[in-house]
Amino acid sequence: GIQVEQSPPDLILQEGANSTLRCNFSDSVNNLQWFHQNPWGQLINLFYIPSGTKQNGRLSATTVATERYSLLYISSSQTTDSGVYFCAVRLNSGTYKYIFGTGTRLKVLA
Amino acid sequence: GAGVSQSPSNKVTEKGKDVELRCDPISGHTALYWYRQSLGQGLEFLIYFQGNSAPDKSGLPSDRFSAERTGGSVSTLTIQRTQQEDSAVYLCASSPFGGEAFFGQGTRLTVV
Repeated sequence: GIQVEQSPPDLILQEGANSTLRCNFSDSVNNLQWFHQNPWGQLINLFYIPSGTKQNGRLSATTVATERYSLLYISSSQTTDSGVYFCAVRLNSGTYKYIFGTGTRLKVLA
Repeated sequence: GAGVSQSPSNKVTEKGKDVELRCDPISGHTALYWYRQSLGQGLEFLIYFQGNSAPDKSGLPSDRFSAERTGGSVSTLTIQRTQQEDSAVYLCASSPFGGEAFFGQGTRLTVV
């Protein structure tokens, strides 16, 4: 089955720093989402980005589907950015379920 | 409703008992997903419903797990004869067909 790997697995930043999170997938996909799971466990939608680049405030994402990766950029990080970031991909064939990546655990220090 | 609603928020059950977890998707969403997240782990796919099509049950871990979706809306995940390894957060999501998925707040199941 498809493999969805995220890097780095863990990241510690000082408040105000920038970071890039990566999502690699092993098969062709027709959709990709980025989520932030906050410390209370809620999954927050960040981006719905099958291809191209999108920006939302301090966050932006780029998906290059032909090269099978997506990047999530966090600029001027804040302590509220702490949590786990997941990418999830939907395959180009067969079922339309989402397969989740391994996650990046981010801690932003004040 | 405005978002995906799951109930109960928390459930403590004795080993061997059956439990039912409920998911109310966003109105109009034809696709519904169940995932399981053990402590500190990622999301494990359980089952996917799309409209009136046969569900994708490929992620159900054993025959103790089953799910149904009535009238293309509300879904119930049933776990029979619960075991301690079933303890986890069970997350439900819904989406338009092929569209963006939105998650509920989850049900935390503890089997004692």
